Amino acid sequence: KQEVTQIPAALSVPEGENLVLNCSFTDSAIYNLQWFRQDPGKGLTSLLLIQSSQREQTSGRLNASLDKSSGRSTLYIAASQPGDSATYLCAVMDNDMRFGAGTRLTVKP
Amino acid sequence: EPEVTQTPSHQVTQMGQEVILRCVPISNHLYFYWYRQILGQKVEFLVSFYNNEISEKSEIFDDQFSVERPDGSNFTLKIRSTKLEDSAMYFCASSLLTSDETQYFGPGTRLLVL
Repeated sequence: KQEVTQIPAALSVPEGENLVLNCSFTDSAIYNLQWFRQDPGKGLTSLLLIQSSQREQTSGRLNASLDKSSGRSTLYIAASQPGDSATYLCAVMDNDMRFGAGTRLTVKP
Repeated sequence: EPEVTQTPSHQVTQMGQEVILRCVPISNHLYFYWYRQILGQKVEFLVSFYNNEISEKSEIFDDQFSVERPDGSNFTLKIRSTKLEDSAMYFCASSLLTSDETQYFGPGTRLLVL
């Protein structure tokens, strides 16, 4: 059974710092990996989707990488801003989508 | 920008009652999903739906649950005989053509079973 783990569980950084969020999964037979943002009490906003054949995807200040063979993905956020404060979830798709518990990010002004 | 909508935003029900959660997926999307998130826990997949039938379902999605696309726009999740442990946020999502594309989530329905 696929297990998805995210480290760290929480992270607090000063504004302007670059940061990396980590995601690992136990079964490398995935179709894709998706990073989401979740604001408190709200739905999920898709940030980036990486297909299994891809190594990375970029959108603005966000860059996500995928190493399927080692079961790892990272989400890199450049020049963090207070508005980036949220919980970041990674999810892998095999027959269904499995989520990690998330990393709660706080960016302090 | 098109988005997935869900109604109601909040629902309170008594244990044993039936609830129907409603979703309007993005109009040209073909795959629909339901997920739930119990407070403080991971988002969990419940079911995917394509071409008017269930495509995949998790072990959570037992006989208590059912899904339906009653018309061309709505997608519903019915929970029969609700239990206290059904209290959660329920999210609907949709994707365009296949199940391995970006999934777009609705804002969720917070269900509280008393």
